[in-house]
Amino acid sequence: NSKVIQTPRYLVKGQGQKAKMRCIPEKGHPVVFWYQQNKNNEFKFLINFQNQEVLQQIDMTEKRFSAECPSNSPCSLEIQSSEAGDSALYLCASSPHRGANSDYTFGSGTRLLVI
Amino acid sequence: AQSVTQPDARVTVSEGASLQLRCKYSYFGTPYLFWYVQYPRQGLQLLLKYYPGDPVVQGVNGFEAEFSKSNSSFHLRKASVHWSDWAVYFCAVSTYQGGRALIFGTGTTVSVSP
Repeated sequence: NSKVIQTPRYLVKGQGQKAKMRCIPEKGHPVVFWYQQNKNNEFKFLINFQNQEVLQQIDMTEKRFSAECPSNSPCSLEIQSSEAGDSALYLCASSPHRGANSDYTFGSGTRLLVI
Repeated sequence: AQSVTQPDARVTVSEGASLQLRCKYSYFGTPYLFWYVQYPRQGLQLLLKYYPGDPVVQGVNGFEAEFSKSNSSFHLRKASVHWSDWAVYFCAVSTYQGGRALIFGTGTTVSVSP
């Protein structure tokens, strides 16, 4: 069982709808990552946080995606207006620090289907 | 540019036979490399990781990997495959940008025949 908890496991949305998923990082891990894994097993890094602060995010995330990691609440990733191309497995990972030798723990993912 | 290439999309191996999965990386400086496994409908589980040091790294479930700077490779090996090793295997490198996100290869699907 993963120490990173992602909910829901499955999410089905219509095009244009909002899609929100949550992640509880492993205890003691202040750094959180979101990745998108498509059906071709291509991974795309979306955004990462240290505590509540955004460290890095890609352009796609800046425009249609919003994410946060509030204090004492699960982290979340929300797609404001879902598109068919957003259908993918969204993986959350956490790590204990930003150092080069950091470990990463992954959740089981939220599988989003946009119809 | 940093990248990871897994040239074999699919490998079929007989149970009990040996396995080698190839991984080539492109990275400026000293890479930190990982192998993950993904079982159906699950997330990624860490098999092993390479930090600068001994080029041969031991992992879980009998897996090991060998780092080669001259070949820019980090191949994964297992001496005797079990049916439970049927999964997708991903090689990844940790970037040097803020937060140290991982760059993944596109994976190798391992099928195990009886």
